[in-house]
Amino acid sequence: AQSVTQLDSHVSVSEGTPVLLRCNYSSSYSPSLFWYVQHPNKGLQLLLKYTSAATLVKGINGFEAEFKKSETSFHLTKPSAHMSDAAEYFCVVSDPPGANNLFFGTGTRLTVIP
Amino acid sequence: DVKVTQSSRYLVKRTGEKVFLECVQDMDHENMFWYRQDPGLGLRLIYFSYDVKMKEKGDIPEGYSVSREKKERFSLILESASTNQTSMYLCASSIDHSPLHFGNGTRLTVT
Repeated sequence: AQSVTQLDSHVSVSEGTPVLLRCNYSSSYSPSLFWYVQHPNKGLQLLLKYTSAATLVKGINGFEAEFKKSETSFHLTKPSAHMSDAAEYFCVVSDPPGANNLFFGTGTRLTVIP
Repeated sequence: DVKVTQSSRYLVKRTGEKVFLECVQDMDHENMFWYRQDPGLGLRLIYFSYDVKMKEKGDIPEGYSVSREKKERFSLILESASTNQTSMYLCASSIDHSPLHFGNGTRLTVT
């Protein structure tokens, strides 16, 4: 069965320090994986996606994620947090790939402390 | 850039009312979706549509129906609103297997 687990419901970092948001998944096939960001009172915006090409994926706003099949993980990182990164982040698996086969994690709220 | 527009940002309705949530996309996408978002539960798929007049049930269709009379418009209907349908509703569209493009959401309160 397909599922997504975001290991932390809330992460708090200081401005300028690294960000790590953790995501583990289970899948039966070769999944596509996504990270979305949601700012307050907004819809979800795509940060980055993995679709079986390079395992290290670079996204917008300096974020990147590494697909590790052996660990079934797709953690999101950023070297230096900015105040504008404060938002909720969702890890999503598509398995098998297809718009109606999306499984959403429950979200991680990132707080950035000045 | 793709634009998905949800007609209302906030709605307050009474129990038993019929409620229409409207969504329009401007990029000729075949696929359209309705999700609800609740704290601690992430996003859950209510209904989706692959084409005009087509609809498919998602994970939680009970209490909802949808209408897709035109390609760009996908409506979510609550036939008789109940308090447990108080939630944030998100519309999305996509083409083929591409990532979803989301609207800004409609926060519905049923009293």
